[in-house]
Amino acid sequence: KAGVTQTPRYLIKTRGQQVTLSCSPISGHRSVSWYQQTPGQGLQFLFEYFSETQRNKGNFPGRFSGRQFSNSRSEMNVSTLELGDSALYLCASSSRTGGADTQYFGPGTRLTVL
Amino acid sequence: KNEVEQSPQNLTAQEGEFITINCSYSVGISALHWLQQHPGGGIVSLFMLSSGKKKHGRLIATINIQEKHSSLHITASHPRDSAVYICAVQGSGSRLTFGEGTQLTVNP
Repeated sequence: KAGVTQTPRYLIKTRGQQVTLSCSPISGHRSVSWYQQTPGQGLQFLFEYFSETQRNKGNFPGRFSGRQFSNSRSEMNVSTLELGDSALYLCASSSRTGGADTQYFGPGTRLTVL
Repeated sequence: KNEVEQSPQNLTAQEGEFITINCSYSVGISALHWLQQHPGGGIVSLFMLSSGKKKHGRLIATINIQEKHSSLHITASHPRDSAVYICAVQGSGSRLTFGEGTQLTVNP
């Protein structure tokens, strides 16, 4: 089975722009979670989607949004980029939501905001 | 106080040594995950625990639900084990809350 894929792998944007990141989960997985990793804050949960519905949301401003499509692929969008949004954005997929289930991480998208 | 506390933050060992990384948490969980992150960012899931003990090769993970504590052990450490090890607890849904990570360096 192919692993979790994320595109693009690297991205450079300027303040005020918006960006869309994509995540394709492992085939058959319906849950996709997004995480932000920065040197100062570490890994933080952004949101989780399951069967096209947002199930959980972390403590991030409304500039961060996401969606999931019927094929379980997910996108996250960040509008009005700020310097502090520079981070590694990771997505993880699992076969179900809730309960003990292994999460499989993608390679991440490294976003740099200038 | 963070919901997930890991210790130590940094660990340097000689090849062959036995290594222990500890994780304490303060919230109710459905599972605890041990993750490995190499330079470049990729994260690999090592273990998922909801009780007891699991072993995979030279790695052993244990959890004590009553004490809200977990340990990751590496036996006969090797330089290729050098990485950041992260403890994460799973709450509602698939949401993970992470510890700060332990940077492990194993010298030959």
